[in-house]
Amino acid sequence: AQSVSQHNHHVILSEAASLELGCNYSYGGTVNLFWYVQYPGQHLQLLLKYFSGDPLVKGIKGFEAEFIKSKFSFNLRKPSVQWSDTAEYFCAVNPLDGNKLVFGAGTILRVKS
Amino acid sequence: SAVISQKPSRDICQRGTSLTIQCQVDSQVTMMFWYRQQPGQSLTLIATANQGSEATYESGFVIDKFPISRPNLTFSTLTVSNMSPEDSSIYLCSVSDGRRGQETQYFGPGTRLLVL
Repeated sequence: AQSVSQHNHHVILSEAASLELGCNYSYGGTVNLFWYVQYPGQHLQLLLKYFSGDPLVKGIKGFEAEFIKSKFSFNLRKPSVQWSDTAEYFCAVNPLDGNKLVFGAGTILRVKS
Repeated sequence: SAVISQKPSRDICQRGTSLTIQCQVDSQVTMMFWYRQQPGQSLTLIATANQGSEATYESGFVIDKFPISRPNLTFSTLTVSNMSPEDSSIYLCSVSDGRRGQETQYFGPGTRLLVL
């Protein structure tokens, strides 16, 4: 079955630290890839997406993600986190033979000020 | 992106009863989706609802338990029937935007359900 793995369930960082959240998926075909974010008390928002082309995609609020096809990975990065980045982050995969999203378990990021 | 609203935002229900959740979109969309997010877990797709056809349910979800309506291109409902405490979850609707092969889903605010 298709699955999406997020390696860390909880991450705690200090402000200005660099962030990398891992995401791996198990699907051999062509996929579209997404990161969503859910800030405390808010609904799920799209952070960034990858369809094709340049494997390094930039999203909102300084986030970026790199698609490495050979590793089935789509890791999320930010060079310097802020307290306002405290949120839960979800990686999601859409296998292109069906328009449906498969979500990872989520990573809760807490940034200490 | 489309603006999506859901009603109710939260509810507390007694076991054995049913609750209908509404999802309204501010633009016409072909595909709408219903997800469940159980406490401490990720989102799981319940079904896909296209206007003018029966909803397509994912493995583990059945129409008798989660009947869905899709009367037009801007509205859908999900009913959680004969509820039990295990149905306590956040229920989210989403819509798909973009051309074929580059669809992006956008989510509503969710309905937080507690079943006693």
